[in-house]
Amino acid sequence: KQEVTQIPAALSVPEGENLVLNCSFTDSAIYNLQWFRQDPGKGLTSLLLIQSSQREQTSGRLNASLDKSSGRSTLYIAASQPGDSATYLCAVYRDGQAGTALIFGKGTTLSVSS
Amino acid sequence: DAGVTQSPTHLIKTRGQHVTLRCSPISGHKSVSWYQQVLGQGPQFIFQYYEKEERGRGNFPDRFSARQFPNYSSELNVNALLLGDSALYLCASSWGTNTEAFFGQGTRLTVV
Repeated sequence: KQEVTQIPAALSVPEGENLVLNCSFTDSAIYNLQWFRQDPGKGLTSLLLIQSSQREQTSGRLNASLDKSSGRSTLYIAASQPGDSATYLCAVYRDGQAGTALIFGKGTTLSVSS
Repeated sequence: DAGVTQSPTHLIKTRGQHVTLRCSPISGHKSVSWYQQVLGQGPQFIFQYYEKEERGRGNFPDRFSARQFPNYSSELNVNALLLGDSALYLCASSWGTNTEAFFGQGTRLTVV
């Protein structure tokens, strides 16, 4: 059974800091891995999708890496801003005969103070 | 272009009632998936539909059902509501079954 764990559960940093969010998964046979942002009470906003053949993806101040062999992904946020405050969710694509499901971690709640 | 749209945004129901949630995918997307997110947890997979057929089902009771229409929109139905069904219900749209997923803003269901 695929399990996804995100560490830390919560993180508070001052504005301008670079930070790393961690995601680990138990089954390395994944198809894709996707990072999302969720503001309180809202839906999910896709940040980065890493396909299984890729090792990293970048978008602006965000960089995500994937190491399937070790079952890990990291999301790097450069020069954090108060607007980055949100919950960040990692999800792996579990592909099987019964369709494709995203398996999510519980998320890391980030607070950036000005 | 319109993103994934869900309706209603908020809903309050009484235990034992039935509820229908609706989702319109991004234009051109043929797959719709449903997820349940309770407070403090990550979303849990309920169903995946592709080309109007059920392709996957998560570990949810038979009180939960769904369907996809010819225009690829979808409905999630929950019968005999329980207090524990209170959650944010999210719809995800994708072109194929394992391509990038885009989520709607969700429907907040409160069962009293």
